[in-house]
Amino acid sequence: DQQVKQNSPSLSVQEGRISILNCDYTNSMFDYFLWYKKYPAEGPTFLISISSIKDKNEDGRFTVFLNKSAKHLSLHIVPSQPGDSAVYFCAASGKAGGFKTIFGAGTRLFVKA
Amino acid sequence: ETGVTQSPTHLIKTRGQQVTLRCSSQSGHNTVSWYQQALGQGPQFIFQYYREEENGRGNFPPRFSGLQFPNYSSELNVNALELDDSALYLCASSLGPTSNYGYTFGSGTRLTVV
Repeated sequence: DQQVKQNSPSLSVQEGRISILNCDYTNSMFDYFLWYKKYPAEGPTFLISISSIKDKNEDGRFTVFLNKSAKHLSLHIVPSQPGDSAVYFCAASGKAGGFKTIFGAGTRLFVKA
Repeated sequence: ETGVTQSPTHLIKTRGQQVTLRCSSQSGHNTVSWYQQALGQGPQFIFQYYREEENGRGNFPPRFSGLQFPNYSSELNVNALELDDSALYLCASSLGPTSNYGYTFGSGTRLTVV
């Protein structure tokens, strides 16, 4: 059962524009939601997280929005830069996952110069 | 501050063999989680070790086993290798069992079973 879903395998965006990566989850008992970025031949790198009691968290060019009623979260990158080209994983943790972190399948972002 | 290091980086094994993968956690981290990432998929949780005890296990058979040592480094052992075990194995360390602060991942070990 896929508790965390990223339905878009890839996304292409022009440099300077906004990138929006989406993620859906099935279990309302998750406490935290996280985004990781992965470059080829490297491990995932933690990017930003949000608690389930908040609806927005911002860190520089990265903002995560959480819509609990829709069980949906999104990562906004503004402005997008070519160095942002990577695979982005949505993840969730908390009681619903037995306190382990559950990852989505990832979305590959291409930022064109 | 050193990050998470994994060894070896690449490995080729024959079906039926056994393999041991190693992970050194980031300084100050007492929790290690192991993940398997098949091609085109997200990381799948194998198990977690917290203060040398197994602290949760994913949907993997018993031939996947692990250890955590007093210095919080860890090993993943896989017995009776199958072709489907071919994947990238990721180790992640954290300050504690819950990951609200995010994991620090190593670069992974690419295992190929032939």
